[in-house]
Amino acid sequence: DAGVTQSPTHLIKTRGQQVTLRCSPKSGHDTVSWYQQALGQGPQFIFQYYEEEERQRGNFPDRFSGHQFPNYSSELNVNALLLGDSALYLCASSLGGGHYEQYFGPGTRLTVT
Amino acid sequence: AQSVTQLGSHVSVSEGALVLLRCNYSSSVPPYLFWYVQYPNQGLQLLLKYTSAATLVKGINGFEAEFKKSETSFHLTKPSAHMSDAAEYFCAVSVGNTDKLIFGTGTRLQVFP
Repeated sequence: DAGVTQSPTHLIKTRGQQVTLRCSPKSGHDTVSWYQQALGQGPQFIFQYYEEEERQRGNFPDRFSGHQFPNYSSELNVNALLLGDSALYLCASSLGGGHYEQYFGPGTRLTVT
Repeated sequence: AQSVTQLGSHVSVSEGALVLLRCNYSSSVPPYLFWYVQYPNQGLQLLLKYTSAATLVKGINGFEAEFKKSETSFHLTKPSAHMSDAAEYFCAVSVGNTDKLIFGTGTRLQVFP
């Protein structure tokens, strides 16, 4: 049983560019959450997708957007990249929300130069 | 607003010694509490969770945590540290009808032989 997978593993972008990160949830899960983990910090909630709609959103600007596909996989898009967007981006999947366990992927390390 | 405070960004113990990692939460409603572990260059793995059942929660790898409402605490303990326990540990809270996780800043555990 495959767990949560994320791609790519590492990414280097230049300020002002746009980036797309991808996540495939654990088999049987229908909810995907995205978190940003800056160096030396705890993860910060970006948003959550359920039934192909954004269900919750954290305190992140509109430059951060996402999508969930019918197969429950998800994308995180960040436009107009800033140096401060450099971080580990974690995807977590769960079943239907409601405080069930969230399973995390290995993350995508984004470096903005 | 909900929040989590982890006391001590670094904790060092000798192999075989007691591990105690501290977590205090702030919430106006009954919380769901979690401890996650993160090994270098990896995602987060759930150690244990409190969901208003038993106040003493047993997790994986010999870890346990006790929910103390009067102290708003959820400290993580392990009777005997092992070298493989060296990692970053995060306490997290979710409340109400939302399952987004709010993380503390983490505690790095070092285990010396």
